[in-house]
Amino acid sequence: KNEVEQSPQNLTAQEGEFITINCSYSVGISALHWLQQHPGGGIVSLFMLSSGKKKHGRLIATINIQEKHSSLHITASHPRDSAVYICAVRSGVGGGSNYKLTFGKGTLLTVNP
Amino acid sequence: DADVTQTPRNRITKTGKRIMLECSQTKGHDRMYWYRQDPGLGLRLIYYSFDVKDINKGEISDGYSVSRQAQAKFSLSLESAIPNQTALYFCATSEIPVAGGHTGELFFGEGSRLTVL
Repeated sequence: KNEVEQSPQNLTAQEGEFITINCSYSVGISALHWLQQHPGGGIVSLFMLSSGKKKHGRLIATINIQEKHSSLHITASHPRDSAVYICAVRSGVGGGSNYKLTFGKGTLLTVNP
Repeated sequence: DADVTQTPRNRITKTGKRIMLECSQTKGHDRMYWYRQDPGLGLRLIYYSFDVKDINKGEISDGYSVSRQAQAKFSLSLESAIPNQTALYFCATSEIPVAGGHTGELFFGEGSRLTVL
């Protein structure tokens, strides 16, 4: 079982819809990242959070440490939001071999006009 | 110019050839990473370096080596490339996360697509 599970794997929405992508993890973490990858493109960091909620424009990320769960929400979705969204959890603190960042397999979001 | 630059962006090579992927950054970050991405598997860590003198193996380091030539440069080498090393490779950097300070946010390069025939 992968330590980081994302759902759904694929999501198709109509422009304007509210989108939720979920991430569950099975290990203790020090932080969780949400990343965005456009087709053929690089990877951009959207959020890094260790508790509570963060908002940036139409994107909202929440995390529940007790339930080992995070969600990424997109309000008023737009075709330019079409991308793969990746959840990654960081465990271990400090430096050296204690560091570990584990990635989910990603959620492919397609927003149709 | 991009904060994290990878070269080459695309490379096709043959089995047994030596390949080097280079990464340079202008972020001033101490931490640098090499990942590979395969369809259906997500990103996996090959090597990481927390400063010029600190290099650590990731989960899939076999068949790879790295060199941290300077704070800004981190190279990945495939000494003898094989077809199952065909993948998209990403370099990334981050600050050291500090409570109440730096977040440890990751900054990725655009990726290097390697095909080994």
